Amino acid sequence: AQTVTQSQPEMSVQEAETVTLSCTYDTSESDYYLFWYKQPPSRQMILVIRQEAYKQQNATENRFSVNFQKAAKSFSLKISDSQLGDAAMYFCAYHSAGSYQLTFGKGTKLSVIP
Amino acid sequence: DVKVTQSSRYLVKRTGEKVFLECVQDMDHENMFWYRQDPGLGLRLIYFSYDVKMKEKGDIPEGYSVSREKKERFSLILESASTNQTSMYLCASSFWGGAGNQPQHFGDGTRLSIL
Repeated sequence: AQTVTQSQPEMSVQEAETVTLSCTYDTSESDYYLFWYKQPPSRQMILVIRQEAYKQQNATENRFSVNFQKAAKSFSLKISDSQLGDAAMYFCAYHSAGSYQLTFGKGTKLSVIP
Repeated sequence: DVKVTQSSRYLVKRTGEKVFLECVQDMDHENMFWYRQDPGLGLRLIYFSYDVKMKEKGDIPEGYSVSREKKERFSLILESASTNQTSMYLCASSFWGGAGNQPQHFGDGTRLSIL
């Protein structure tokens, strides 16, 4: 069974600084997808960024980028120029190609300090 | 934008009651999912459905059932509510295909308390 591990239950960052959230996963599959989801307090969970395992290039969405290391099974999220609105729970998730099921990590609570 | 609507944000029920949580999506998605979210445990899949009247167990189906009579609606049923089912429940939907290139869209969640 696939597992997703987020080793940092909580993190904080100064506004305008950069922060990196860690995620590792365990799988024997070769074709899969990885996601970062953001859940602001009392608000809807939304997709931040996704990465296809077959792509070597790291995904980027504005201030959000990932460092995907397939051999190491690592998928970290970098948030640049942090803003107060970035404060949220962040979940790393794994999805095997051909499967319906998303496997989530336990989440990292990010605080942004003004 | 995709809209996934859960019928209640907050719900309080008593042990032994039969509880229905409703979820409706407006984007004609084939797949629908019910998750449970608990602090320190992340999201755990209870059930999912890939078509009308079809359902599959997730990781923690015990004590729950589901119903999908129409494509847009997916209901989670607690047959006899217990206090250990107090939790946040999230519904999600996505287009057909397990390829993973169609992300799941989530509702706002229902915070259920069983007294």
